[in-house]
Amino acid sequence: AQSVTQLGSHVSVSEGALVLLRCNYSSSVPPYLFWYVQYPNQGLQLLLKYTSAATLVKGINGFEAEFKKSETSFHLTKPSAHMSDAAEYFCAVTANTGNQFYFGTGTSLTVIP
Amino acid sequence: ETGVTQSPTHLIKTRGQQVTLRCSSQSGHNTVSWYQQALGQGPQFIFQYYREEENGRGNFPPRFSGLQFPNYSSELNVNALELDDSALYLCASSFPDRPNYGYTFGSGTRLTVV
Repeated sequence: AQSVTQLGSHVSVSEGALVLLRCNYSSSVPPYLFWYVQYPNQGLQLLLKYTSAATLVKGINGFEAEFKKSETSFHLTKPSAHMSDAAEYFCAVTANTGNQFYFGTGTSLTVIP
Repeated sequence: ETGVTQSPTHLIKTRGQQVTLRCSSQSGHNTVSWYQQALGQGPQFIFQYYREEENGRGNFPPRFSGLQFPNYSSELNVNALELDDSALYLCASSFPDRPNYGYTFGSGTRLTVV
């Protein structure tokens, strides 16, 4: 079985500051891990994904995430926050043989000008 | 690349009624999954269809049912609506044997049950 836990339902950062959104996963098999972003009244857009290749994954809009097996973590970072980054962020996990994604409860990012 | 489109965008129904939500999958994706996203929550897996057959189901009662058509469009049907069914319903398409590709999501249908 797989699950993810997102620590911090709300995160606020100043414009230009580091963004760090936390995700810890649980999986009995090698996982595939994803970060999605959701803007108000929209669906989910894929930011980046880990699929057992490089542990440091780069995504769109300057985001990146590092897979740490020893810590069962897949935290999302961005060096400098932009106002347009304000949104809801979801971490998700699936197995390489699975057909179901398990999502976290989300982290709402606020960027303060 | 056509993306995933869902209709309608918003819907209001009365408790006990039935509703049908529609989805047109991304071209080339022959697998469609439906998720329910309650307010303030992450998406919850309802079921997945591959080649017009159910290919996995989450913890949802049988009054949630689906159909997938040869042209990659699909439907989610919910009978005997309950107030707790109020949520954003998301359709997502993918390749069935490539979960590492991730999903392509539609913008969702906001269902309100009163």
